[in-house]
Amino acid sequence: DTEVTQTPKHLVMGMTNKKSLKCEQHMGHRAMYWYKQKAKKPPELMFVYSYEKLSINESVPSRFSPECPNSSLLNLHLHALQPEDSALYLCASSLKRVAGDSYNEQFFGPGTRLTVL
Amino acid sequence: AQSVAQPEDQVNVAEGNPLTVKCTYSVSGNPYLFWYVQYPNRGLQFLLKYITGDNLVKGSYGFEAEFNKSQTSFHLKKPSALVSDSALYFCAVSAPGGYQKVTFGIGTKLQVIP
Repeated sequence: DTEVTQTPKHLVMGMTNKKSLKCEQHMGHRAMYWYKQKAKKPPELMFVYSYEKLSINESVPSRFSPECPNSSLLNLHLHALQPEDSALYLCASSLKRVAGDSYNEQFFGPGTRLTVL
Repeated sequence: AQSVAQPEDQVNVAEGNPLTVKCTYSVSGNPYLFWYVQYPNRGLQFLLKYITGDNLVKGSYGFEAEFNKSQTSFHLKKPSALVSDSALYFCAVSAPGGYQKVTFGIGTKLQVIP
């Protein structure tokens, strides 16, 4: 299985809602990522988990809360979002065998298209 | 800090002609360089990477890229373009170290004209 899956594909939420995005991979990858991508822009890194521990948080607002419950799953909990948070949210994973190996390519999921009203 | 420049917002090429998508980078130390492709409303797909060794790297779907250390470039090439190659192409760089952070360029839209 060489696939990263993301659910849901589309999500519309109000500014007071609480929702979660889910990401799953079964490739044995131990690094997982959340990116935010606006139209016609490159992906912006939000969070990196390495061996189920948060290793990078790119100064993301606290209304985004990541969680990595096990080596295959990555969640992004959303609360009190703003309309400017509307974007494509991409999950990715990569093989990480030893500390410091940043040469492994990332496998991306298809994304969740989020609209905040 | 590491960075990537993709100087062309869009590249147009006729089907069957060779294509080049340009990328230059800046990083401390030896770079790890990647090309990804994104089709509309999809995630990114890995095409190829340079880590070390041979400067000419071959990847998926007939794409290749040449690493040029003196010019800090990593241009993507294909000898004969297909209409199905039309997509958004991202160059990316990372550096050896303890973090998995990859920096992407702004992307180049490739349009292959039938």
